[in-house]
Amino acid sequence: SQELEQSPQSLIVQEGKNLTINCTSSKTLYGLYWYKQKYGEGLIFLMMLQKGGEEKSHEKITAKLDEKKQQSSLHITASQPSHAGIYLCGAREQGTYKYIFGTGTRLKVLA
Amino acid sequence: DGGITQSPKYLFRKEGQNVTLSCEQNLNHDAMYWYRQDPGQGLRLIYYSQIVNDFQKGDIAEGYSVSREKKESFPLTVTSAQKNPTAFYLCASRGTGDQPQHFGDGTRLSIL
Repeated sequence: SQELEQSPQSLIVQEGKNLTINCTSSKTLYGLYWYKQKYGEGLIFLMMLQKGGEEKSHEKITAKLDEKKQQSSLHITASQPSHAGIYLCGAREQGTYKYIFGTGTRLKVLA
Repeated sequence: DGGITQSPKYLFRKEGQNVTLSCEQNLNHDAMYWYRQDPGQGLRLIYYSQIVNDFQKGDIAEGYSVSREKKESFPLTVTSAQKNPTAFYLCASRGTGDQPQHFGDGTRLSIL
């Protein structure tokens, strides 16, 4: 079965600093989704990547999918306290309608 | 506004009791999903449904049951056979093709 591994598991940064979260798949990705979750709430969709080498940005968040489509990164520029939360990557498992998720990266931004 | 509504937000179960978690969507999505989230374990798929009157087991279906009698509704029953039901439960729906899943705000289930 396909698995998604995220790193780091947790991250504490000072406000204004840049940071990167990684998501590595055990198999080729055919669509990678990034979500943000605040504790005790649902997941909010951030971005979807499908093509090798694809890069998307929204406000201060940039997501990339590598050429081999097995690794994705999420980069936050000039972090703010509003960026705090849990970031999860997700993907559809090959050949199924099932979706799998990484274990999440817990981000804390110190003001 | 379109979205997914989960209720209740908090639920308590007594030993030997079945409880049902509600999930309703008005996004006109065909596919719906139930996930369980435990600390440090990410989301694990319980059941999913691609169309009305059809559903499939996910990775941790034991002790759970679902129904999909209407497109808008996908209730999850946590039965007494589920020995460790304390968790955060998330419902999601998805449109066609590779559209992302939309999630509800979750239900936190605890044991009395």
